[in-house]
Amino acid sequence: GESVGLHLPTLSVQEGDNSIINCAYSNSASDYFIWYKQESGKGPQFIIDIRSNMDKRQGQRVTVLLNKTVKHLSLQIAATQPGDSAVYFCAEIVGRGSGNTGKLIFGQGTTLQVKP
Amino acid sequence: NAGVTQTPKFRILKIGQSMTLQCTQDMNHNYMYWYRQDPGMGLKLIYYSVGAGITDKGEVPNGYNVSRSTTEDFPLRLELAAPSQTSVYFCASSYNRQATVSGNTIYFGEGSWLTVV
Repeated sequence: GESVGLHLPTLSVQEGDNSIINCAYSNSASDYFIWYKQESGKGPQFIIDIRSNMDKRQGQRVTVLLNKTVKHLSLQIAATQPGDSAVYFCAEIVGRGSGNTGKLIFGQGTTLQVKP
Repeated sequence: NAGVTQTPKFRILKIGQSMTLQCTQDMNHNYMYWYRQDPGMGLKLIYYSVGAGITDKGEVPNGYNVSRSTTEDFPLRLELAAPSQTSVYFCASSYNRQATVSGNTIYFGEGSWLTVV
């Protein structure tokens, strides 16, 4: 399954399928792009990040892709599990290199629902 | 090591009342942040601080004030509470050993649920 961020706030996938969550960012000067997972009643939980000089980064069952040309970020979750059900937010840290402000700005978020 | 601690966890305020949300971290982090999250929405940055004595406005600072007199504490004050300030508030902090804040250096508190009636 695949979402397009703001326009499809809920993504429903079958357990075991791969999920793709998308995000459009606005600030071309951002240094880091981050994906967070937020479960109901809890704070954001770091999943993976990618620096602006990279196109792809892989973690455990997750891959983040960065397309700077179109200012697009995506999170791919392999073999989606019921425990992956949550809201997923993209975020960016404004400023690059010595200009890294540490200012963390969040995107809108996508709800991932995993059907057993 | 307690991490980022927010108090109170829940609070109900009447319109026009004032209150302070407390945030403290014991990790000697330079950077601290306050966010609000309305139901079904993302987190909006209210204020942030890059060190003691320095604060900057975020995306939605109106109606709030902050101070950073110590490295550990970053309180958020609501002077005249309004129903529009009903939200969940998250405090976060980050270290920058390499002068760069990255994704895995930012730690969040558990949130403070505020209702203004």
